Amino acid sequence: RKEVEQDPGPFNVPEGATVAFNCTYSNSASQSFFWYRQDCRKEPKLLMSVYSSGNEDGRFTAQLNRASQYISLLIRDSKLSDSATYLCVVNGGFQKLVFGTGTRLLVSP
Amino acid sequence: NAGVTQTPKFRVLKTGQSMTLLCAQDMNHEYMYWYRQDPGMGLRLIHYSVGEGTTAKGEVPDGYNVSRLKKQNFLLGLESAAPSQTSVYFCASRNDYSPYEQYFGPGTRLTVT
Repeated sequence: RKEVEQDPGPFNVPEGATVAFNCTYSNSASQSFFWYRQDCRKEPKLLMSVYSSGNEDGRFTAQLNRASQYISLLIRDSKLSDSATYLCVVNGGFQKLVFGTGTRLLVSP
Repeated sequence: NAGVTQTPKFRVLKTGQSMTLLCAQDMNHEYMYWYRQDPGMGLRLIHYSVGEGTTAKGEVPDGYNVSRLKKQNFLLGLESAAPSQTSVYFCASRNDYSPYEQYFGPGTRLTVT
């Protein structure tokens, strides 16, 4: 079983739609969780951290469910520029990161 | 402030050839990392460094060597390239204050034929 699992997608949504991705992790001892964004043929960049109580950053909302060991990312009012691959990331010990394979989002006009 | 840079951007090698990938950062970060990214596999850690003169193995270190002679540079070497090393290689660095925010370079696309 992979440490971090994501639905690869793609998720095809129209502009203005709300879309949500989930990610599951296997290590119950994991303490820190993140979403990174990766544009096509570019490097990953940190999108947001995920806090236990849930957190928002503009149109993006991240939530953590420790009991079920999953993390979610909700994007409201999707923009064309949101088209990218979203990587679920979990701390993997000694301040290292374990990356999921990513969920691809395509936002169309 | 260039952030993290990688050279070369692209390279084609024949099986058995050697090469060195260079990563440089100008943010005075202590920690540096080398990853490879393959379809369906996600980013996997090859080697990392917690400071000048130190290196450690990651998840997939076989076939690679690294050196961190200067704080700003982290070199990844392939002594005898194999087709299984065809991949996109990313370097990343981070500071002491944000242990999980890594800054990535633009990547090196390597093909081994």
